[in-house]
Parts: sequence; C-alpha cells; structure tokens
Amino acid sequence: EAQVTQNPRYLITVTGKKLTVTCSQNMNHEYMSWYRQDPGLGLRQIYYSMNVEVTDKGDVPEGYKVSRKEKRNFPLILESPSPNQTSLYFCASSSSMAYNSPLHFGNGTRLTVT
Amino acid sequence: GESVGLHLPTLSVQEGDNSIINCAYSNSASDYFIWYKQESGKGPQFIIDIRSNMDKRQGQRVTVLLNKTVKHLSLQIAATQPGDSAVYFCAETRNNNDMRFGAGTRLTVKP
Repeated sequence: EAQVTQNPRYLITVTGKKLTVTCSQNMNHEYMSWYRQDPGLGLRQIYYSMNVEVTDKGDVPEGYKVSRKEKRNFPLILESPSPNQTSLYFCASSSSMAYNSPLHFGNGTRLTVT
Repeated sequence: GESVGLHLPTLSVQEGDNSIINCAYSNSASDYFIWYKQESGKGPQFIIDIRSNMDKRQGQRVTVLLNKTVKHLSLQIAATQPGDSAVYFCAETRNNNDMRFGAGTRLTVKP
C-alpha cells in the first residue's frame, strides 16, 4: 500500500531533550516536506526537500533540522525542543513539484514539549 | 500579505443534503488550487484540484468552483454522508513548494 509513515504518533518530552520524528514513503517520491498544524493557523511548512541531499527552509524553520540521505526517508530533528514547538506535525511527499502531483500526507505526530 | 482564508470555521448539514464549503484567496499569482479532507486522527487527503484556467471541475460527488474575479473557491459535496464529516482545507499554490493552506472548515453531518 502506497503510504507515508511517521513515527512516533504521539510524543511527550521535556524542554531541551533532543528528539527525531521519522518519515518514510514507499512511493519513490522525489519531493518531501514537513508541516506543523496549529489551531487557527492551518498547515505551515517547516522544511522541504526536492531530492536526495537537497533541503530548503520553509516558512517556520527555526528550531528544526532535517536531512535527506535517502530518497524514502526525511527525518525531522529538534535539537533542543521548546514548549512553543508543541504541535501536530505532518510529513508529506509527492512525485514532483508539478501541478498534477498532489501531496500525500502521513497520519501525523502529536508532540508535546513540557 | 497574501493569505488563504475560509468564510466559516464550522458547517453542519443534514445527511443527504448538499454541502458548500467556501474559501477566499488573495494571491492573484496563484494558479492552482486544491481541496484536502482531514479526518480525525489522520493526515490531509487530496480530494480535488483545479487550475486557474478552469471555472469548474467535477469529481465523484464533489465539485470545485473557482471565481477568479472575486478570488473565491468553493467545494460542493452532493448528498452529504456521515463519512464526509471532517475538516476541509483549501490550498493555493504555484508549485508544491509554495503551497498555502487555509485554517480549515469543520463539516459535521447530522443523521
């Protein structure tokens, strides 16, 4: 089944403790992206990657890092999480940046930073 | 600045009725629009899209209308079913890297 898989689904951590949220897609997609979803703000892009070893900042990259060593994986790293990073995170992928390439989303990771 | 917004945050309809979810956009340079559906505990799911050179596009039970004059986008769902209950997002883009999402409208279908 074609899908985007995020892990973990739920994560509670403390301020300053490094964490990684994994994202993997099995569709051989070139484009991958991370979003955070907050009430009333919609989905905001954190980082994106157009292909292996190519990553760029989105609208809200502060406090996050990503890597794209393999085509299928695009982990999101929080080196020193803070409470304002408490949010619902989504990874997404698409075959390209063309118009007829809709984004496929994972089921989300709900992160709480205390 | 440019933004994508929604007229109503919630919509409640009776099962079997038609639903209309609205979206306003302000970026005149956007030329591709998408509707996503997000069910509880899941990620957004693509429903239907439309390019700016079109006014209307139909799918299975769904229709998207684009009015470029007033920068308005709508999603019509025919014969709404309980399974249609979800949050619906509009998004505007020129490519996947420049996609802007609305905050969402929560559709509730009453039996």
